This record gives sequence, C-alpha cells and structure tokens, in this order.
Amino acid sequence: GAVVSQHPSWVICKSGTSVKIECRSLDFQATTMFWYRQFPKQSLMLMATSNEGSKATYEQGVEKDKFLINHASLTLSTLTVTSAHPEDSSFYICSATGTGKNNEQFFGPGTRLTVL
Amino acid sequence: AQSVTQPDIHITVSEGASLELRCNYSYGATPYLFWYVQSPGQGLQLLLKYFSGDTLVQGIKGFEAEFKRSQSSFNLRKPSVHWSDAAEYFCAVGLDTGTASKLTFGTGTRLQVTL
Repeated sequence: GAVVSQHPSWVICKSGTSVKIECRSLDFQATTMFWYRQFPKQSLMLMATSNEGSKATYEQGVEKDKFLINHASLTLSTLTVTSAHPEDSSFYICSATGTGKNNEQFFGPGTRLTVL
Repeated sequence: AQSVTQPDIHITVSEGASLELRCNYSYGATPYLFWYVQSPGQGLQLLLKYFSGDTLVQGIKGFEAEFKRSQSSFNLRKPSVHWSDAAEYFCAVGLDTGTASKLTFGTGTRLQVTL
C-alpha cells in the first residue's frame, strides 16, 4: 500500500497567526504532492501542485503568498497558512503520487483548521 | 475546462439493496475517471478508475462502474449495499499531466444506509 499522513489532524489558531500543516508519504517517495481545500458539504478544490525540489504551481485564484507550499524532500510537503483569518477555516487535504504508483494519488486524512 | 457533476447530494438505501451513484463529466478528450470514498477521519480511498479499455471496471469492496462515452457518464454501482458503505462518494476526472493526474472532483454524494 501507500500511506500518506497529515499533521496535525486539527488545529485552532487566532486570527493573524500562521499555521503549518505537514503531509508525509510514509512508505513511498512522493515526486508530486497536491494540496486541496474542502469546504463543508462541498467538493475538494485543488489549491496547488508541488514537485519535489521545485516551486509549487498554484491554481487560479489561490494566493501563493497566503498559502506557502514547500516540498523539500521526497517524503514531506508543508502548507503554511500565513496570517490566517476566519475565512481560511477549512479542511485541508494533501495527496501524493510517485514513481511506480501509476499516477494514482494517495490521500492524507486531512487537517481541520479553525481560525478564531 | 473539465467538470464533474454528481446530481444526487444525498441518497438513502436499505442494507442489501442495490446502489447506483450518478456521475457526469465534461471533458474534451478521453477522460481519466475515478471514484473515491471518504469516511470520517480517513483519507479518500480509491474505489476504482478508468483509463482505457473495458468500459466496465471492477473496484474494491464490490463496487463497479461503467464508462459510457455517449452519455458522458461514469456511474458507480453495487449490487448489495452493506451498512459499512455509508460514506461520502466522489467522482473525479483527471488530466494526464505526465507525472501525475490533476483531479477535478464532483461535489460528492452522501450515502446513508438504513438497517
């Protein structure tokens, strides 16, 4: 199998602070990782795609200075929500794929962010 | 741009009954199609996928889906639902970007199973 973990599973922060979410591939090398955002009772919206060692590619409408993505190694990608505000409250999900995975994405369990 | 429509927001079926979840897609070329299931506290799990070939694909947990190009549909079916199938189901269409397939998801269908 292919396991992807996320940490933390939930976080509450004050408005104006920054929050970092980690996404790890536990048993494979993730050459590409994706970050999604899911609003309650809605679909997953792709925020950005990151390839190891290069800058992330953001989807239209996603502020790259707001949502900083770092994919520094083949097993770790981080999403930092900078100067978080209540409207950033959401469920953030990462996925990963890699060599030999036949383009299949493996999803993490998600991180619930609540900004007060 | 590609899009995915899941017309049913919420479906309730009795345990043991058959199930069909609808999915329609819009994409200019041959799509890569997926069905995922999302349970609380767990990551999305791939049920099945269609890339090419046989239009009836078998997946895990007894699910199957049929690709119908003429109807732009990829409906998910299961002949007999179990209570543990209660979850959120997402249909997705992918682009082949070379290294990985960017996915566009539908809005999901929540399945409730009554005993």
